[in-house]
Amino acid sequence: GQNIDQPTEMTATEGAIVQINCTYQTSGFNGLFWYQQHAGEAPTFLSYNVLDGLEEKGRFSSFLSRSKGYSYLLLKELQMKDSASYLCAVRDDSNYQLIWGAGTKLIIKP
Amino acid sequence: GAGVSQSPSNKVTEKGKDVELRCDPISGHTALYWYRQRLGQGLEFLIYFQGNSAPDKSGLPSDRFSAERTGESVSTLTIQRTQQEDSAVYLCASSLGASGGKLVFGPGTRLTVL
Repeated sequence: GQNIDQPTEMTATEGAIVQINCTYQTSGFNGLFWYQQHAGEAPTFLSYNVLDGLEEKGRFSSFLSRSKGYSYLLLKELQMKDSASYLCAVRDDSNYQLIWGAGTKLIIKP
Repeated sequence: GAGVSQSPSNKVTEKGKDVELRCDPISGHTALYWYRQRLGQGLEFLIYFQGNSAPDKSGLPSDRFSAERTGESVSTLTIQRTQQEDSAVYLCASSLGASGGKLVFGPGTRLTVL
């Protein structure tokens, strides 16, 4: 079956670093996406990994290991505005549909 | 347009009424997706269009739900005989193609069925 797992909620401190993990079991794989969704807003694209390794983009980095079915999103120098839900999604290469995780709600405390 | 737009932004309706939600994708984006998101929940896939054909309607929850797309442009999602359980945010997203490119989401339509 198709399954994406992420923690439901995480708490971190302003200025710190947090790692949000995502594990997946899908019948096919054609890339993994991370999206950010602030409360009451639509998801916005953060990162895309299709090959193993780390993709860095400013304060945000995303890592992928296809053999382990594992990804993480790393957020550095946390700011209060980073409080949001972070959604992991895998694109299935059989139909190119995105399979979505339920999201991780990140709470940043001063 | 510069982004994906949806209308109305908010819709309050009475149980049993029909509603029509509209999505204008980014110009040139051939793939279009509809999702439903209940409060505090994840994204629930409804339907996917490639051009104006719908290869995947598997997510439509019942025959009260239907969607169409004109060419590679506007899409409408229609919910007939609305029920309170239909209350949710309906999100539309588009991408350059099904096999490539990130999804760009519209702001959503918040539907409340009284």
